[in-house]
Amino acid sequence: ETGVTQTPRHLVMGMTNKKSLKCEQHLGHNAMYWYKQSAKKPLELMFVYNFKEQTENNSVPSRFSPECPNSSHLFLHLHTLQPEDSALYLCASSPSTAGASYEQYFGPGTRLTVT
Amino acid sequence: AQTVTQSQPEMSVQEAETVTLSCTYDTSESDYYLFWYKQPPSRQMILVIRQEAYKQQNATENRFSVNFQKAAKSFSLKISDSQLGDAAMYFCALKETSGSRLTFGEGTQLTVNP
Repeated sequence: ETGVTQTPRHLVMGMTNKKSLKCEQHLGHNAMYWYKQSAKKPLELMFVYNFKEQTENNSVPSRFSPECPNSSHLFLHLHTLQPEDSALYLCASSPSTAGASYEQYFGPGTRLTVT
Repeated sequence: AQTVTQSQPEMSVQEAETVTLSCTYDTSESDYYLFWYKQPPSRQMILVIRQEAYKQQNATENRFSVNFQKAAKSFSLKISDSQLGDAAMYFCALKETSGSRLTFGEGTQLTVNP
């Protein structure tokens, strides 16, 4: 595998379910990100991790719980979601969060549908 | 707060022709980076081109070039010799050097007609 991978690619879950999204980067980067992409809206930054430490939480509801066990893996744990949480969830990584090395590499996304 | 605005929700171009996508932004900082990302139907976001604000020279990557007007806070993308594979959603993005946030515009859906 190369680049940034995300699993699953598609997920349908009920409002009472608990599920997790997984992101893995094979680029040796130190920073990882979760974004939410809803129809006709700009990408929304959700969380930022740098060297496994969370550096930014963009006022995300607690029903979304991120986990970064190491610099290569990032999870997004989901529980008691709402239908408005249906969206494309994108993971990205970059060498760091600062300066010239900031180019972000994106995964293919997980299309989440909450029923 | 930094903002990015793309005023063209949709654009179309004939194959082999040139098209320009518009982007304006606002930031209170003098040191920042600007990006154009492409998202084809496969959904994989791909970096097209990057511009450092301190560089006066406009960035160029093969058929893609930008017109960076710092005083006007404008950052347009020109695609020359358009190809069918250029059809995608294009996002303009801004990152201030002092922070970790990458702010995206609403996107422009580009259609390339054969």
